[in-house]
Amino acid sequence: EPEVTQTPSHQVTQMGQEVILRCVPISNHLYFYWYRQILGQKVEFLVSFYNNEISEKSEIFDDQFSVERPDGSNFTLKIRSTKLEDSAMYFCASSDYGTSDEQYFGPGTRLTVT
Amino acid sequence: AQSVAQPEDQVNVAEGNPLTVKCTYSVSGNPYLFWYVQYPNRGLQFLLKYITGDNLVKGSYGFEAEFNKSQTSFHLKKPSALVSDSALYFCAVRDPHSGNTPLVFGKGTRLSVIA
Repeated sequence: EPEVTQTPSHQVTQMGQEVILRCVPISNHLYFYWYRQILGQKVEFLVSFYNNEISEKSEIFDDQFSVERPDGSNFTLKIRSTKLEDSAMYFCASSDYGTSDEQYFGPGTRLTVT
Repeated sequence: AQSVAQPEDQVNVAEGNPLTVKCTYSVSGNPYLFWYVQYPNRGLQFLLKYITGDNLVKGSYGFEAEFNKSQTSFHLKKPSALVSDSALYFCAVRDPHSGNTPLVFGKGTRLSVIA
């Protein structure tokens, strides 16, 4: 069964450093998302992406964040200058048609900012 | 704005007993509703969804959920719990009026099934 994959599984970085989180969505999916989950809290939406552009973003997704689909398979989330409060589990998701379709989530990347 | 409430942080149930994990929602119009499960150190796995039609939807691993419009609820149920069902369960809602809207999640309910 096809699945969303994410690398790395765990990333430790120092405050102020740039990080890139990588995702490979399910191959025939058209819609892509990033969510995050701070430890012990609920899953929060960051950004959605369709047709090579951002569809929607939350207030969390400020100028420090960017997304890119550099080729036909990868979908990346970049944090330009990490802060302590960026420490969280970051989930990538993809879906086929959009609203009525379920989103399939990757296993997540645990980002620890020290 | 859409929102989801999961009133219980923790649900404990004995193996073999029926289980219910509660969810209520707030959204304008008819909602799209989802349940996901998260096992330790894993991503979110889709269980089931309600889009339209029959109010009782069946999903993976024997789970089902009942959409109740008058009570704005979408409780997750299983007739006979297994120890392996122990996990974190998230209810989510989505605005049906736009093609690429995000899921809005509840805070999650930890289910513990005791042998």
